[in-house]
Amino acid sequence: GENVEQHPSTLSVQEGDSAVIKCTYSDSASNYFPWYKQELGKGPQLIIDIRSNVGEKKDQRIAVTLNKTAKHFSLHITETQPEDSAVYFCAASRGNDKIIFGKGTRLHILP
Amino acid sequence: NAGVMQNPRHLVRRRGQEARLRCSPMKGHSHVYWYRQLPEEGLKFMVYLQKENIIDESGMPKERFSAEFPKEGPSILRIQQVVRGDSAAYFCASSPLVGNTEAFFGQGTRLTVV
Repeated sequence: GENVEQHPSTLSVQEGDSAVIKCTYSDSASNYFPWYKQELGKGPQLIIDIRSNVGEKKDQRIAVTLNKTAKHFSLHITETQPEDSAVYFCAASRGNDKIIFGKGTRLHILP
Repeated sequence: NAGVMQNPRHLVRRRGQEARLRCSPMKGHSHVYWYRQLPEEGLKFMVYLQKENIIDESGMPKERFSAEFPKEGPSILRIQQVVRGDSAAYFCASSPLVGNTEAFFGQGTRLTVV
């Protein structure tokens, strides 16, 4: 079945610096790759997603890249702010199927 | 448009009791996913349902766990004869269509078995 690996498990960056989280997936039929942010005591919130027909997508300070050949995708957060501190999950799905999540990255923004 | 609504937010059950977790999807959404999350861990897929139909239950334990999404009313995740190991946060997500459309999560139900 589909497996999604996510690295690192914990990431600390200085406020204002960039953060990068990387994921790999095993199922070559996966074609949808969402990213979720989860704050303490809350449900995961969809922050950005990318489909397999594009290689990059950007939304303000957040960008995602996808390399279908290598089966990996990444989340980039620029100019990090304290409110970016949270747990981030990558995920992968094929059409008509479940969404499989990575194990998460705990991002700490240092003052 | 209200988001995905889960209730109760917190549920305490004694060992051996039944737990019923409810999820009302966003308006217009016909697909529901259930996930389980242990403290400091990721989201583990349990079941994927369409109204009146289970699409994929490969993540559900074979015993004691069941899920439904009736034509009318919320989706229900039912855990019979709960054990301490069932203590976790259970999240529901809904989407309007299958696969590669956005899925939105509720705030979760935190089940504690005492």
